Order: sequence, then structure tokens, then C-alpha cells
Amino acid sequence: DVKVTQSSRYLVKRTGEKVFLECVQDMDHENMFWYRQDPGLGLRLIYFSYDVKMKEKGDIPEGYSVSREKKERFSLILESASTNQTSMYLCASKPRRDTGELFFGEGSRLTVL
Amino acid sequence: SQQGEEDPQALSIQEGENATMNCSYKTSINNLQWYRQNSGRGLVHLILIRSNEREKHSGRLRVTLDTSKKSSSLLITASRAADTASYFCATNSGGSNYKLTFGKGTLLTVNP
Repeated sequence: DVKVTQSSRYLVKRTGEKVFLECVQDMDHENMFWYRQDPGLGLRLIYFSYDVKMKEKGDIPEGYSVSREKKERFSLILESASTNQTSMYLCASKPRRDTGELFFGEGSRLTVL
Repeated sequence: SQQGEEDPQALSIQEGENATMNCSYKTSINNLQWYRQNSGRGLVHLILIRSNEREKHSGRLRVTLDTSKKSSSLLITASRAADTASYFCATNSGGSNYKLTFGKGTLLTVNP
């Protein structure tokens, strides 16, 4: 059974802290994604990666960076967390083929105080 | 920017009734997908329809696609309380196969 695991379901951080959100997939997928989900705004793509050490900006990359050192792991980094980054963060992966179906993790709900 | 826009934003029905949700999009697509999200959880893929397909079925789900109108609909027949969730359409516009663009979702409530 395919699995995308996000390390933390709930996090509470303070403004200015550095935050790491980790995502691991066990399906040997080439492509991995980070989305954030906010009420009334739906899902918005932050960054995606199509291979190890490769990354591309999504629609809202400002304030975020990512790391893909190993194929199975894709990390989202908030260098200096701000209250407007309070959100649900969703990681997803897919194989490099044309179907386009994404496999999602359970989400990480981040609150920045 | 949001590609897909679902309609209605919220839908409340009784168990056993059918639920229809619509999705409109703006640019040409390779495929359109529907996902389901239970409250506070991740999204689960339901069905994918390619741009050269007009209708697709999967169990109690029926999806239609009208590329001339840039719209799709998701029909859930004989709904159950367990179908209560948010439903999202997502479009893949080609060029890069890496990106899906999601709509804001329809919240479906099925009352027992």
C-alpha cells in the first residue's frame, strides 16, 4: 500500500523560529510536492521537486525553501516563521508518468504564535 | 492562481440522494481529477478523466467532462453518511506534468 508520511500532524511554533516539515514516501516516486491549504483559498502549490536535488517554485514560494537530498524525502523549511504561515501543509508525491494522480500525506497543521 | 472552481461551495443532502458537484476551469487541460478530503486529513484521489474522454465511472461515482465548456461534473449516486467530505477538482494543463492546480472545493454533507 502506498504511503506518504508527514512527520508531524500538529506543530505550534513562535514567530521567528525556523521550522522543518518533513515528508517521506515509500513508493520510489520521482515527483514530490508541498501545498498549503487555507479556508476559502483551497490548495496552493509552494514548491515541487522532480528529482533528487531538483526543485521548482510553485505559486507561493515566498517565505519557504525546500530540500530534496534523498529520493524518498522532501522537506519544507520556514526560515523565519510568521503568523501568516499558520496553515495546513500537505505533502504529495507521484511517479514520473502521465497519469497525474497525486498521493497525499495526512497533513501537518502548523500554528505560528 | 486557481484553475478549477467548484460549484456549489457547500451541499447538504439526505442519505440515499444523489449529489452533483461541478467544476469549471479556464485553460486547456490534459486531464482533470477529483479528490476527496475528510475533515483534517489528506486528499485521496477518486477518479481521473482525460481530455479526450467525455464520461467515466467508478463504483458510485460518475464524472463527465465537457472541454468545449471547460467544465466537469462529479455525481455521487445513492449517497451515504460516510460520503461527507470536501471534494476538489484538479486540472493538469500539460507542458509540465508535474503540477496540478486545485479548486477551492465543495463541502458535501450527507445527513443520515
